[in-house]
Amino acid sequence: EPEVTQTPSHQVTQMGQEVILRCVPISNHLYFYWYRQILGQKVEFLVSFYNNEISEKSEIFDDQFSVERPDGSNFTLKIRSTKLEDSAMYFCASRAVSPEKLFFGSGTQLSVL
Amino acid sequence: ILNVEQSPQSLHVQEGDSTNFTCSFPSSNFYALHWYRWETAKSPEALFVMTLNGDEKKKGRISATLNTKEGYSYLYIKGSQPEDSATYLCAPSGNTPLVFGKGTRLSVIA
Repeated sequence: EPEVTQTPSHQVTQMGQEVILRCVPISNHLYFYWYRQILGQKVEFLVSFYNNEISEKSEIFDDQFSVERPDGSNFTLKIRSTKLEDSAMYFCASRAVSPEKLFFGSGTQLSVL
Repeated sequence: ILNVEQSPQSLHVQEGDSTNFTCSFPSSNFYALHWYRWETAKSPEALFVMTLNGDEKKKGRISATLNTKEGYSYLYIKGSQPEDSATYLCAPSGNTPLVFGKGTRLSVIA
């Protein structure tokens, strides 16, 4: 069965450094998402992407965050200057037009020291 | 952004017991209600997507009902097994992307 893949599975970085989290969505999907979960808290929506542009973003997704689909298969989340509070599990998800159910990757655990 | 509440936060049941938990959401601007199952060290996996008031969906021993007028959905597990241990997330969608509740963490004790 096709799946969403994320790399790396773990990323440790120093505060202030840039990180890029990578995702390969399912190939025929058109909608892409990033969610995150801070330890002990609920899964939070960050951003949705469709037709090569951001369709929706939350207030968490400030100027330090950006997304890109550089080559038609990868979907990346960049955090320009990481903060301690960015430490979380970051999930990429994708879906087809219909049905609406999301397929999630296995996540990237980001630790900012 | 839609607010969603799930209860209880956690639940311990004995193997073979049946159980259920609740998802509450605003009934205005409702479009669909998603249930996901999230096992430890894995990614969330879609169980159901429900859209119609009164809808009932079933997948093996797991079923869900939906009341869009009063804004709630129940998830039922019949004859719980240890492999059902997971966090169950619900997420309503309106004209916004999915917003997840905090989930109900189910532990089934053998």
